[in-house]
Amino acid sequence: EAQVTQNPRYLITVTGKKLTVTCSQNMNHEYMSWYRQDPGLGLRQIYYSMNVEVTDKGDVPEGYKVSRKEKRNFPLILESPSPNQTSLYFCASSSGVEGNQPQHFGDGTRLSIL
Amino acid sequence: GQNIDQPTEMTATEGAIVQINCTYQTSGFNGLFWYQQHAGEAPTFLSYNVLDGLEEKGRFSSFLSRSKGYSYLLLKELQMKDSASYLCAVLDSNYQLIWGAGTKLIIKP
Repeated sequence: EAQVTQNPRYLITVTGKKLTVTCSQNMNHEYMSWYRQDPGLGLRQIYYSMNVEVTDKGDVPEGYKVSRKEKRNFPLILESPSPNQTSLYFCASSSGVEGNQPQHFGDGTRLSIL
Repeated sequence: GQNIDQPTEMTATEGAIVQINCTYQTSGFNGLFWYQQHAGEAPTFLSYNVLDGLEEKGRFSSFLSRSKGYSYLLLKELQMKDSASYLCAVLDSNYQLIWGAGTKLIIKP
């Protein structure tokens, strides 16, 4: 089954404790992206990747890191999480960015930073 | 700046028709997407418009007017399962998706 898999689905942690949210897709998609979703603000892009070893900042990259060493994986790293990073995070992938190529989303990761 | 406006919340009755509007001001335009998102779940793709006019897909239709920077999503024969948020997103000149905050649709029996 074609899917985007994120882990963990839920995480409660404390300020400053490094964490990684994994994202994997099995559709051979070139484009992958991370979003955070907060009430009233909609989806905001954190980082995106057009292909292996190519990553770029989105609208809200501060406090986050990503890597794209393999096509299928695009982990999101919070080196020193802070309470303002408490949010619902989505990973998404698509076969490209041009034309009618919708994004496929993972089920989301709800992070609470205390 | 780039901006997408949608109503925050709408209410409609089961079996009726509802139109959700989206207006946008972006740097260029390479298409407009509509997604559906049930509470606590991932967004799922509904439609894509790049040319002016109406695209029909079953009970859902999407309309685009590029000159007016305007789109709407039309939902017919509403069902309780249509209760969800509907997200409008525009692909700008750099092929970056700009997202609206979403419209929460409440369906009443």
